[in-house]
Amino acid sequence: GAGVSQSPRYKVAKRGQDVALRCDPISGHVSLFWYQQALGQGPEFLTYFQNEAQLDKSGLPSDRFFAERPEGSVSTLKIQRTQQEDSAVYLCASSRTRMNSNQPQHFGDGTRLSIL
Amino acid sequence: DAKTTQPPSMDCAEGRAANLPCNHSTISGNEYVYWYRQIHSQGPQYIIHGLKNNETNEMASLIITEDRKSSTLILPHATLRDTAVYYCIVRLIQGAQKLVFGQGTRLTINP
Repeated sequence: GAGVSQSPRYKVAKRGQDVALRCDPISGHVSLFWYQQALGQGPEFLTYFQNEAQLDKSGLPSDRFFAERPEGSVSTLKIQRTQQEDSAVYLCASSRTRMNSNQPQHFGDGTRLSIL
Repeated sequence: DAKTTQPPSMDCAEGRAANLPCNHSTISGNEYVYWYRQIHSQGPQYIIHGLKNNETNEMASLIITEDRKSSTLILPHATLRDTAVYYCIVRLIQGAQKLVFGQGTRLTINP
């Protein structure tokens, strides 16, 4: 079946521009996660949604980062006034059930963001 | 911070079993051990997870020591496509869902 889909696959923006990254989770998956992966490092957690509710945003590095999932399916990660340190791969993952579950997370292939 | 320790790199010959160790000496009774791998330019791929019993699926086997302080992921017949970074992660059964990745082990399968 279809996996987690992310778009665009690559994004190049100039410093100061706003960007929006899209995630289409696996159909019916309740939980959705965003991670940031710097070059040569493991992914780092950004934020977590259960349906449309953003239950954990403790990993968002600054108030320039904003995520939403208004209808409980597609999610968008928005970065305002981008900085060079925002250059990274942004990964989205979804899992079938809510908290208190050992269901694995399934990842998309990410959006590689480059800030010039 | 990641709660696991893995060797930074390993090599294995094609066709042989690849045994990837992971130390998680501070694991608590309500934490699972998960393994993911990440092939170049792709997102992490779930492999297997376990609590205290050994587990096997079509991809790999997971051997967890009796004291649960360490585990080994076994790829029984490694192929060139198994070359990837392998992450061992401990995660609470309940509560926070996020995965905390460490540096992982870069496994290279040689022909």
